[in-house]
Amino acid sequence: EAGVAQSPRYKIIEKRQSVAFWCNPISGHATLYWYQQILGQGPKLLIQFQNNGVVDDSQLPKDRFSAERLKGVDSTLKIQPAKLEDSAVYLCASSLYPEDSYNEQFFGPGTRLTVL
Amino acid sequence: AQKVTQAQTEISVVEKEDVTLDCVYETRDTTYYLFWYKQPPSGELVFLIRRNSFDEQNEISGRYSWNFQKSTSSFNFTITASQVVDSAVYFCALSEAEAGNTPLVFGKGTRLSVIA
Repeated sequence: EAGVAQSPRYKIIEKRQSVAFWCNPISGHATLYWYQQILGQGPKLLIQFQNNGVVDDSQLPKDRFSAERLKGVDSTLKIQPAKLEDSAVYLCASSLYPEDSYNEQFFGPGTRLTVL
Repeated sequence: AQKVTQAQTEISVVEKEDVTLDCVYETRDTTYYLFWYKQPPSGELVFLIRRNSFDEQNEISGRYSWNFQKSTSSFNFTITASQVVDSAVYFCALSEAEAGNTPLVFGKGTRLSVIA
């Protein structure tokens, strides 16, 4: 079974530029999460989708971050404009819903963003 | 609010030593899940264990064992006879146990270095 795919793996941009990350969850997984992991910290949820609807985006900085999952499969996370403090690894995770009540999330390899 | 504390930032041990990683959590929920994830240098989060709040039985899996104590809100992880391949950052995480899927709240992680 293929895992969660993310691209690009690495991205370097200058502040005030825009950037987009892509995630393809495991086939059949209806729930998709984007987490931000700043160096030296644990991942922090940015947004959670259920199919193509947003379940929780309370911690997403909406003035600069946006995310979509138009067809309930792939998802894109965008930052516009980027700030220095956005340098982090952006992790995508997916899980089954609703049959799987154990909330096991499978994580992708992440995209490491460096903002200069 | 939910919170996970991993007080040990970094631990170094010599190969074949036993090592325990501490995790203390806070939640107002009576039903919740606890997790441990491993993050090797490659960056991907690897699921190790999930524990339901109603199941306080300790678990052993090969060289890994977990001690769950609700009385002290702790979920500690022990690696017996550590190996160099165990070197990684280990995260403890917590989630509500609603049916379906809820996001994970992570601790800041403990970096384990096993020296040959």
